[in-house]
Amino acid sequence: QSALTQPASVSGSPGQSITISCTGTSSDVGHYNYVSWYQLHPGKAPKLMIYDVSNRPSGVSNRFSGSKSGNTASLSISGLQAEDEADYYCTAYTTSSTVIFGGGTKLTVL
Amino acid sequence: QVQLVESGGGLVKPGGSLRLSCAASGFTFSDYYMTWIRQAPGKGLEWVSYISGRGLYTNYADSVKGRFTISRDNAKTSLYLQMNSLRAEDTAVYYCARVRGNYWFDPWGQGTLVTVSS
Repeated sequence: QSALTQPASVSGSPGQSITISCTGTSSDVGHYNYVSWYQLHPGKAPKLMIYDVSNRPSGVSNRFSGSKSGNTASLSISGLQAEDEADYYCTAYTTSSTVIFGGGTKLTVL
Repeated sequence: QVQLVESGGGLVKPGGSLRLSCAASGFTFSDYYMTWIRQAPGKGLEWVSYISGRGLYTNYADSVKGRFTISRDNAKTSLYLQMNSLRAEDTAVYYCARVRGNYWFDPWGQGTLVTVSS
């Protein structure tokens, strides 16, 4: 099964907002509301940012939000800060009872 | 607090075997599914396998099916990944993570590096 499709990179200036898309199929992103997002900083353990499409774990800034429409999920970050610069991955549960990740998006804060 | 610590990574020749471990603490281990996820150098994350709380149900990515075996010892609060017939493309940092709710992963360990090379 191919990875979910994410843009390779996005960028924004401090204070701006950005959105990262995650496109799958009707067998994964489009089938369940089981989409989650992870932040990866080099040398650190990956961190959960959003689960079940739009829920934010405690401790995650409310500048992060998630949504879904059809086979595409999105992660939005408002009020960009330098510390948001990282790699972001989406993931979805599939109708084959497996899990599939997106290819990852490198966020650069200019 | 909840903590996951992987170990067992290292250098192995193609065709060889390796067993990874993940020591869990800070939560009731047997109540949770657990999973392995990997990241090859310069590549994205790839889900590898998960196992149910009692170890009765497992599932694998096609890329490792038939070669890797996930298991757990709830008495020792440990998760394992037995990797056989290793290939160069299995070279990656392997993370263990706790599975929550609808297959979201939190927390993750720091990872252990597996290098498959002659």
